[in-house]
Amino acid sequence: KQEVTQIPAALSVPEGENLVLNCSFTDSAIYNLQWFRQDPGKGLTSLLLIQSSQREQTSGRLNASLDKSSGRSTLYIAASQPGDSATYLCAVRLYLGRRGGADGLTFGKGTHLIIQP
Amino acid sequence: DAGVTQSPTHLIKTRGQQVTLRCSPISGHKSVSWYQQVLGQGPQFIFQYYEKEERGRGNFPDRFSARQFPNYSSELNVNALLLGDSALYLCASSLVERVETQYFGPGTRLLVL
Repeated sequence: KQEVTQIPAALSVPEGENLVLNCSFTDSAIYNLQWFRQDPGKGLTSLLLIQSSQREQTSGRLNASLDKSSGRSTLYIAASQPGDSATYLCAVRLYLGRRGGADGLTFGKGTHLIIQP
Repeated sequence: DAGVTQSPTHLIKTRGQQVTLRCSPISGHKSVSWYQQVLGQGPQFIFQYYEKEERGRGNFPDRFSARQFPNYSSELNVNALLLGDSALYLCASSLVERVETQYFGPGTRLLVL
């Protein structure tokens, strides 16, 4: 059974700092990995999607890397801003091969990020 | 284009009752998935539908059921509600199965008393 762990569970840093959020997964046979942002009481906003054949993806101040063999992904946030405060969730989709079908996404519990002004 | 929409936004039910939650995917998206998010946890996969067929089911009891309509909208039904069913129920849509980015709606917050 795929398990996804996110470290740290919570993080509070001053505005302007660069920071790294970590995600690890137990089954390396993944189809893709996705990072989401969730604001309190709200739905999820997709930030970056990395296919299993890719090593990283970038969007603005965000960069996500994927090391499938070691079961790790990192989300790097450059020059953090108070508006970045949210919970960041990592999710993986398993590769089901010829069986096809879908298992849905398996999520970590998230990292609660606070950027202090 | 409108994003994924869900209704209602909030719902209060009592134990033993039944509830139906609704989801409209992004226009052109044929895959809809349902997730349950309990406070302080990541979302858990309940169902995925693609082209009106169930393509995946998570580890949830038979009290949970869903369907997808010809216009690709979807309903999630939960029977015999328990206190532990209180959660944020999220719907996500994607263009096709598996490969594409999933786009989530704002969720329906269900409180079971």
